[in-house]
Amino acid sequence: DTAVSQTPKYLVTQMGNDKSIKCEQNLGHDTMYWYKQDSKKFLKIMFSYNNKELIINETVPNRFSPKSPDKAHLNLHINSLELGDSAVYFCASSQSGGTGELFFGEGSRLTVL
Amino acid sequence: KNQVEQSPQSLIILEGKNCTLQCNYTVSPFSNLRWYKQDTGRGPVSLTIMTFSENTKSNGRYTATLDADTKQSSLHITASQLSDSASYICVVANNAGNMLTFGGGTRLMVKP
Repeated sequence: DTAVSQTPKYLVTQMGNDKSIKCEQNLGHDTMYWYKQDSKKFLKIMFSYNNKELIINETVPNRFSPKSPDKAHLNLHINSLELGDSAVYFCASSQSGGTGELFFGEGSRLTVL
Repeated sequence: KNQVEQSPQSLIILEGKNCTLQCNYTVSPFSNLRWYKQDTGRGPVSLTIMTFSENTKSNGRYTATLDADTKQSSLHITASQLSDSASYICVVANNAGNMLTFGGGTRLMVKP
C-alpha cells in the first residue's frame, strides 16, 4: 500500500565509500524528485525527473548521480561520500500539471563517519 | 529571490489549546501554497493546497488561510492533540506548480 517507498531507511558508512538509495512509487505519477533535509530541517530539491528525463538538477556535486530506469523508479547513487553528505534524503513524486501535490517517502537517513 | 519565511520557529502549547502558524512569501508568479506536516522521522504529508482564488481551506482541525495580496498564509490548529506535535512546513509553488520554495518549518510541541 506504500505510495512512495525508499530503501534503506538508515545507512551508516565510511567516508570515501559509494552508496545507493532506491525509490519506487506506485501512484502512477510522471514526476519524481530527490530532496535533501539537513540538520536545520530545510528541505532542498536536488533532482527532478519527468518521464525518466532529468528536469531539475540543482547545484549538487557530480558525486551524486540519479538514475531513473522507468517512471516509477528514481535511484540516487553517491560516490566518494563525504562527512557533509550526512542528512536525510527524501524521495517524492507528483503528477505534472495542476497543483502537482507531492507525496514523500519516509526518508533515508545517511550518516557518513 | 523567492523566499518563504515561517514563524515562529518553534512553539509549545498545552493539549486542547489552539494555535496559529504564520507563513510569509515572496514567490512570484504565484501558483499555489501548501502546508505539510512532518512527524519526527517521517516524510512530510500534505495538509492543504490553496490556489490564488482560495482564501481558506480546512482539513479536520487544521484550517489554512491565504491572503494573496499581502502574500501571507496561516495555519490554525484547533483543540490541539498530542499527535499534532510535528514540524509544519509551508511550501509555495510558482510556474504552474513546477517550482517549489520551502519554508524552514515551525516545530510544534503539544504537551499534556
